[in-house]
Amino acid sequence: DAKTTQPPSMDCAEGRAANLPCNHSTISGNEYVYWYRQIHSQGPQYIIHGLKNNETNEMASLIITEDRKSSTLILPHATLRDTAVYYCIVRVAGNTGKLIFGQGTTLQVKP
Amino acid sequence: GAGVSQSPSNKVTEKGKDVELRCDPISGHTALYWYRQSLGQGLEFLIYFQGNSAPDKSGLPSDRFSAERTGGSVSTLTIQRTQQEDSAVYLCASSLLEGAGEAFFGQGTRLTVV
Repeated sequence: DAKTTQPPSMDCAEGRAANLPCNHSTISGNEYVYWYRQIHSQGPQYIIHGLKNNETNEMASLIITEDRKSSTLILPHATLRDTAVYYCIVRVAGNTGKLIFGQGTTLQVKP
Repeated sequence: GAGVSQSPSNKVTEKGKDVELRCDPISGHTALYWYRQSLGQGLEFLIYFQGNSAPDKSGLPSDRFSAERTGGSVSTLTIQRTQQEDSAVYLCASSLLEGAGEAFFGQGTRLTVV
């Protein structure tokens, strides 16, 4: 599975959009981008995934560049409850081997 | 159940004792994973089950650690002769084999070895 690079930390004002970047320059054509988050003292939570088209669900939007070498997770109106560590992972869809979690980005939403 | 269930939620044990941690995956999920997370650290993969077999055990840190899964459902992670460095949160996740394979995690078991 391809390696990802994320900034270690970011701040965001409550009510504003949080844009979390992820670089995955070695991604293969059949690898998807997955995002998870881990709120303090809880298990990781699946957020969204995509291959090459932009995706949106009730939690977030995922924007993937045309060359697929990077992506951005967007939380449109961040709340204090969105404070968490956000993990970007790439792997083949349906590949049920291990998910490899990096260090992620610690997002601090401030009032 | 509606989600992945782990028990116990907390376990305090004396050094040298054996412990068993249990994971009930989401019904119908054939893939099951164990991870651990030490205080302030990232998630460390331990083992992955596909049905009752474990094609990837590469993350088990020593032969004191073992896991099994029966009936393609419940899994137990056993740690023998526990050491203080085994103290961590042990997380279980499950997913479908088909489709995107997004994994759903339980709330974990916090193990403290004293």
